[in-house]
Amino acid sequence: QVQLQESGPGLVKPSETLSLTCTVSGGSLRGSYWSWIRQPPGKTLEYIGYISFSGTTKYNPSLSSRATISIDTSRNQVSLSLTSVTVADTAFYYCAASIGGVHGGFDYWGQGDLVTVSS
Amino acid sequence: SYVLAQSPSESVAPGETARIVCGGNNIGGKSVHWYQQKPGQAPVLVIYHDRNRPSRIPERFSGSNSGNTATLTISRVEAGDEADYFCQVWDSIRDHAVFGGGTKLTVL
Repeated sequence: QVQLQESGPGLVKPSETLSLTCTVSGGSLRGSYWSWIRQPPGKTLEYIGYISFSGTTKYNPSLSSRATISIDTSRNQVSLSLTSVTVADTAFYYCAASIGGVHGGFDYWGQGDLVTVSS
Repeated sequence: SYVLAQSPSESVAPGETARIVCGGNNIGGKSVHWYQQKPGQAPVLVIYHDRNRPSRIPERFSGSNSGNTATLTISRVEAGDEADYFCQVWDSIRDHAVFGGGTKLTVL
């Protein structure tokens, strides 16, 4: 079974760049779509974007100017970079896998990584 | 952007049937996915493409979608079903996923 594990700094200062990595085990990145989704504490989920094995990306228009998703197939990792963060970017950040196509729902999720934006 | 509406909370007695509704403009023309999220945990996919159940999800969970409403039905509710439930579709115009606000299911 595919397992995902997010890792990141935990605390980021306002105006700086948030960087997170998702390490995938138990399966290949090939054939699936890899997404980042975030959830401010106590609130609903917000889609950030996805990347395919071939490197095709698509972003939520509300975050497209600040978000970049990349893939490292040699390390089985997917990464997220979010620039110019503010306190509004404080959230649990999840990576998720869509096995049956990008429109087929998010089959597997990482445990989530809480990122706090604070000076 | 496409908007999904969910009631904030629902409550049900053990053994009864819970129905969690997700509203959207002509949502019946879209594919709806449902997630269960327990406190401190990541979401889990419980229904995909309106009515399909992953193999690890109990048969008590079912889904339907028509017109402006999609419904997640949980039969013979158990205490362990207490969680937040989120619906999700794909906004085909802006090409990104959209989530509902979530419904907190309380088992009395």
